[in-house]
Amino acid sequence: AQTVTQSQPEMSVQEAETVTLSCTYDTSESNYYLFWYKQPPSRQMILVIRQEAYKQQNATENRFSVNFQKAAKSFSLKISDSQLGDTAMYFCAFMKHASGGGADGLTFGKGTHLIIQP
Amino acid sequence: DTGVSQNPRHKITKRGQNVTFRCDPISEHNRLYWYRQTLGQGPEFLTYFQNEAQLEKSRLLSDRFSAERPKGSFSTLEIQRTEQGDSAMYLCASSHDGGSYNEQFFGPGTRLTVL
Repeated sequence: AQTVTQSQPEMSVQEAETVTLSCTYDTSESNYYLFWYKQPPSRQMILVIRQEAYKQQNATENRFSVNFQKAAKSFSLKISDSQLGDTAMYFCAFMKHASGGGADGLTFGKGTHLIIQP
Repeated sequence: DTGVSQNPRHKITKRGQNVTFRCDPISEHNRLYWYRQTLGQGPEFLTYFQNEAQLEKSRLLSDRFSAERPKGSFSTLEIQRTEQGDSAMYLCASSHDGGSYNEQFFGPGTRLTVL
């Protein structure tokens, strides 16, 4: 079974600052995906960024980037130039690569509540 | 396409009653997932379907829970003899085989309160 750990229950930064959310995971799988999801208050979960385990290059999506350390089983999210709209719960998630292709269930961490202060 | 939809959005019931939730996935998404999210926690996987076949069930899915996807389109999740511990947000997600990174798209959830 996989586990995902997010050790920061809450973080608060000023608008325009850079913030890094940490995530570690444990698995015996060799082929898997990692994700960061954002859940704004009273709104649905949306995907922020994803990483395939076999890719060494860290994923980047505009202001969002990850630091993927496979050996250390670490997958942190960096948000640059933070904006008020970034205020949300952020969940790190793991998904093993299902046999025969396709998708499997996600294993989530407990989340980090990120607050962007004006 | 309007995304994944779930109904009802909120449900209040008394302990011991049965409840049923519905999820309509994104059109042509052949995989559908159910998760449960309690306050202050991340979502926990319950079960998933590929087309109409239920392929995996979590140990969290007790005998009181049953899920169906009769025609490979919408899905229902039924909880029988509800307990206060069933109070949670029930999330549905869908994905398409071969889609980008098998991304799962989430619905807004059904919030269940058991009194």
